[in-house]
Formats: sequence, C-alpha cells, structure tokens
Amino acid sequence: NAGVTQTPKFRILKIGQSMTLQCTQDMNHNYMYWYRQDPGMGLKLIYYSVGAGITDKGEVPNGYNVSRSTTEDFPLRLELAAPSQTSVYFCASTPWQGTDTQYFGPGTRLTVL
Amino acid sequence: AQTVTQSQPEMSVQEAETVTLSCTYDTSESDYYLFWYKQPPSRQMILVIRQEAYKQQNATENRFSVNFQKAAKSFSLKISDSQLGDAAMYFCAYRSADAGGTSYGKLTFGQGTILTVHP
Repeated sequence: NAGVTQTPKFRILKIGQSMTLQCTQDMNHNYMYWYRQDPGMGLKLIYYSVGAGITDKGEVPNGYNVSRSTTEDFPLRLELAAPSQTSVYFCASTPWQGTDTQYFGPGTRLTVL
Repeated sequence: AQTVTQSQPEMSVQEAETVTLSCTYDTSESDYYLFWYKQPPSRQMILVIRQEAYKQQNATENRFSVNFQKAAKSFSLKISDSQLGDAAMYFCAYRSADAGGTSYGKLTFGQGTILTVHP
C-alpha cells in the first residue's frame, strides 16, 4: 500500500511550457484534491474530484486543468507555465468527505523561469 | 466561506519545554473538523491531531494536545516535552462536516507557524 504518490518530485519549466503533474492513490479513495503551497504560505485548493469523471474548481484554478478518468489517477495539467505558478504542489485523497482525514502525497516542487 | 488564521509566523522553544501554537477560525457552521498538520523540511504533510467540533473533550496524541474553545473559535496546539524532531512548519486546518453538502471534504489552511526547537 503506497498511499498517495506524486511524480515528478522536482521540475524546472521555462515560461510558456506545459507539463502534467501525476498523482496516483491505491486506497480506492473517491475524493482527490490538488493544492499549491507558495513559499511561506498555507495550502490553497486548485481543483478537486469527488469520483471518476467528476471534477470541480477550487480557490485558485486559473492556469490549470484536471481530469479523472479512473479512481486511482488525478493528473494536474499546467498550460503555458508562468512564474506565478512556481510553487510546491500537493495531491491528497480521502475516502469520503465527512468522516476521515486527508492523505497527502510527498509534493512536487515546480519552478518556472 | 471559512477562514483560518495563525497569528504567529514563528515560534521557538527549548528542548524538553512546552510550547503552544495558536489558531483561530471563522465559520457559521456548527459541525466541522479541525486539524493540525506538521510539515518538516521534507515538505511531507503529516497529520498531528484531529478534533471534531461536536466533541467537547480536547483531543490528545501523546505529547500533543489541543485546547479547543468552540465559542471563541480558537484551536491551539500544545507540544509538551519538545524534541528536536518537532521542528517544522505547523498548519492549522478546517474542514466542514456537511455530509452531502458542497464542501466535498476540502481543507482550508492557515498561513502556518514555523517552530524552531533549540537544544
């Protein structure tokens, strides 16, 4: 049982490039989330999903897209990377919304130059 | 919308001493969950302690305990017998308990408090 895994751990992008951050969980959790953490700040919700095929925006969705074709995977897509997207990105999951805690992945540190 | 505020950007404590980290929150809901997460330099988010709002008893986990004051909307974390390994960023977080509602288990985080432990 690996929990929540994220790849890559680190990435440097040039302005205007695109990339996909991968997130996989093997706990059969329905709910999955993407957060970003800017330096010295708390985490802010980018997108979330309540199940395969269902996604919705969080607080800071601009510049990102997500998909959820399976229960296990919840990739985050960055289109036309900008320096403002330099951050650490965390994926998290939980079995259902009201009764359990969130399990976090180890994070992806992204720098856009 | 809910907000979480941690007013102490940095705190320090001597090894073996006790330290308290503060957190206040704002919500109109009556049922919710509050959490303290620890984030060491590895950046992994580690759950420290969890409190359910409908429970009056303060949660405890070994050296970690909370002082939950629902009327005052205050949720402080006390670390007893501090250890060097406790040094980290600590986040207070809120989650609605509205099963079937629109919160979908989302967490709202405070800004974090950096805890330094001196030997």
